Amino acid sequence: AQTVTQSQPEMSVQEAETVTLSCTYDTSESDYYLFWYKQPPSRQMILVIRQEAYKQQNATENRFSVNFQKAAKSFSLKISDSQLGDAAMYFCAYSHKDSGGSNYKLTFGKGTLLTMNP
Amino acid sequence: DAGVTQSPTHLIKTRGQQVTLRCSPKSGHDTVSWYQQALGQGPQFIFQYYEEEERQRGNFPDRFSGHQFPNYSSELNVNALLLGDSALYLCASSSRLASSYNEQFFGPGTRLTVL
Repeated sequence: AQTVTQSQPEMSVQEAETVTLSCTYDTSESDYYLFWYKQPPSRQMILVIRQEAYKQQNATENRFSVNFQKAAKSFSLKISDSQLGDAAMYFCAYSHKDSGGSNYKLTFGKGTLLTMNP
Repeated sequence: DAGVTQSPTHLIKTRGQQVTLRCSPKSGHDTVSWYQQALGQGPQFIFQYYEEEERQRGNFPDRFSGHQFPNYSSELNVNALLLGDSALYLCASSSRLASSYNEQFFGPGTRLTVL
């Protein structure tokens, strides 16, 4: 079974600074997908960034980038130039597509609460 | 274009009762997945529906059942409610038609409280 571990229950960052959230996972699959989701107090789960395991290049989306280390099964999220709106719960998640063509279930970590220092 | 919608927003039930939660997927999506998110935890996969059938199931008892309608909307039913069923229930929709992985779009959730 696949597992996702987020070892940082809470992190804080000052506005305009950079913060890195950690995530490790375990799987026996060779082709899979990794995600970072953001869940603000409004509860709406929003996809921040996605990484396909077969791609060696790390994904980037504006101020968000990942450090994907496939051999180490590590997938960290870096947020640059942090803004007040970045404060939220961040979840690392794993998935793979089954042979039937459907999207397999998402397996989530327990989350990291990111707070902004005044 | 409406995203994923869920109803109701909040619900309070007592132990032993039954509850039905509803989800309408994003336009163009044919697959609906349900997740349970207990307070302070990450979402846990309950099951997934497409073509009106349950296709995948997580580690949840038979008290949790679902249905998908021809218009792709879905219901989650929970019978004999327990205190531990109190959680945020998230619905996510996606499409099987694209050639690559499709993002699962989440609804705002239904907060269920069991007293």
